[in-house]
Amino acid sequence: GAGVSQSPRYKVTKRGQDVALRCDPISGHVSLYWYRQALGQGPEFLTYFNYEAQQDKSGLPNDRFSAERPEGSISTLTIQRTEQRDSAMYRCASSLAALSNTEAFFGQGTRLTVV
Amino acid sequence: AQKVTQAQTEISVVEKEDVTLDCVYETRDTTYYLFWYKQPPSGELVFLIRRNSFDEQNEISGRYSWNFQKSTSSFNFTITASQVVDSAVYFCALSEARGRDDKIIFGKGTRLHILP
Repeated sequence: GAGVSQSPRYKVTKRGQDVALRCDPISGHVSLYWYRQALGQGPEFLTYFNYEAQQDKSGLPNDRFSAERPEGSISTLTIQRTEQRDSAMYRCASSLAALSNTEAFFGQGTRLTVV
Repeated sequence: AQKVTQAQTEISVVEKEDVTLDCVYETRDTTYYLFWYKQPPSGELVFLIRRNSFDEQNEISGRYSWNFQKSTSSFNFTITASQVVDSAVYFCALSEARGRDDKIIFGKGTRLHILP
């Protein structure tokens, strides 16, 4: 597609349930990033991939959060046993190459609400 | 460690006024990249500019201009003759972009209100 596509756009889940958020990057983009944005805050880095390799997961808050990109294209961010504090906008971005050479483009995000 | 500070939380100006959004960054590297993104009320993050640390020339794009000063570690953004459509949250961001450290760190943003 023309831009980064995220699904679902909105997700309401009950506390304790697992959720999977999907990101479809711009075709041909090598790098893929996940961010979380709380209301009134800037995006907070979670993790990023080069192709299928997860290069940095230092921003994942705890072991309930995981991400994968098995074929180097679509990525899934999974949150297990969700808690209310996980409620936020989850954003995915992709870039053609490393940020030393290009910029990152963001999807519209998934608004997650844990009730 | 990387850090971006946007000291102005919220700014309001009357339409047609010029406005400058401040950004100060911290990095241990000599090679790094600076970005500005716009987040309009609709919520998406729109890329505005990317600048590398070796290029200190100021950049102008229409009513937008950016002033990069390495000596003060600042990358300020000015909107000339502001318009109501410029109302948004603006984020300054930094990437050291070396090897495995290829991520963007964002500031907390400045909410800009352009009053008609």
